[in-house]
Amino acid sequence: SAVISQKPSRDICQRGTSLTIQCQVDSQVTMMFWYRQQPGQSLTLIATANQGSEATYESGFVIDKFPISRPNLTFSTLTVSNMSPEDSSIYLCSVEAWGKGSASDEQFFGPGTRLTVL
Amino acid sequence: RKEVEQDPGPFNVPEGATVAFNCTYSNSASQSFFWYRQDCRKEPKLLMSVYSSGNEDGRFTAQLNRASQYISLLIRDSKLSDSATYLCAVNTGGFKTIFGAGTRLFVKA
Repeated sequence: SAVISQKPSRDICQRGTSLTIQCQVDSQVTMMFWYRQQPGQSLTLIATANQGSEATYESGFVIDKFPISRPNLTFSTLTVSNMSPEDSSIYLCSVEAWGKGSASDEQFFGPGTRLTVL
Repeated sequence: RKEVEQDPGPFNVPEGATVAFNCTYSNSASQSFFWYRQDCRKEPKLLMSVYSSGNEDGRFTAQLNRASQYISLLIRDSKLSDSATYLCAVNTGGFKTIFGAGTRLFVKA
């Protein structure tokens, strides 16, 4: 299993500013994932972050808007740049790990960062 | 067409009822299937994986139908504590898991 912490847990920001979200895992993992979940919506994958290489972004998400760092196997950051109210969402960090009693990798999620942009 | 689709609900059921959710997926190459539970203002947590032969965990039964490309979750003897959003998740064998929008369940006393 994996235990994930995220900081900050919530923030209220002014438009045009940037916020960096930190994600820490209690074990070494190859891949870390960043998701966004808007109110009442499903999880949308923003990007996959591998240690030592550039993140892979999903359609609709670009590095200039959501730069990601992955300096080691237990840590990653996601920056939401030049924010607008449309960026208000919950941002979740996730990893795949072998779960207890599971026959396959399951995804573990951090508690999320609730972002409100005014 | 969305890659993973679920009936958003909400499903409002009395305690003790049996309720079933379906989820369809579009990629026939999908290999792994899961049901996650998400409580209000919390992160999703794995409820159960879905195996080809179907699997049961207490009051919960998951089924996979590859021919029709859907998975199902059956909850028997619903409890108030089962109230949550249930997310279907599908992995195509790469490193990307696609989540459905979730089905909301409310169990009433």
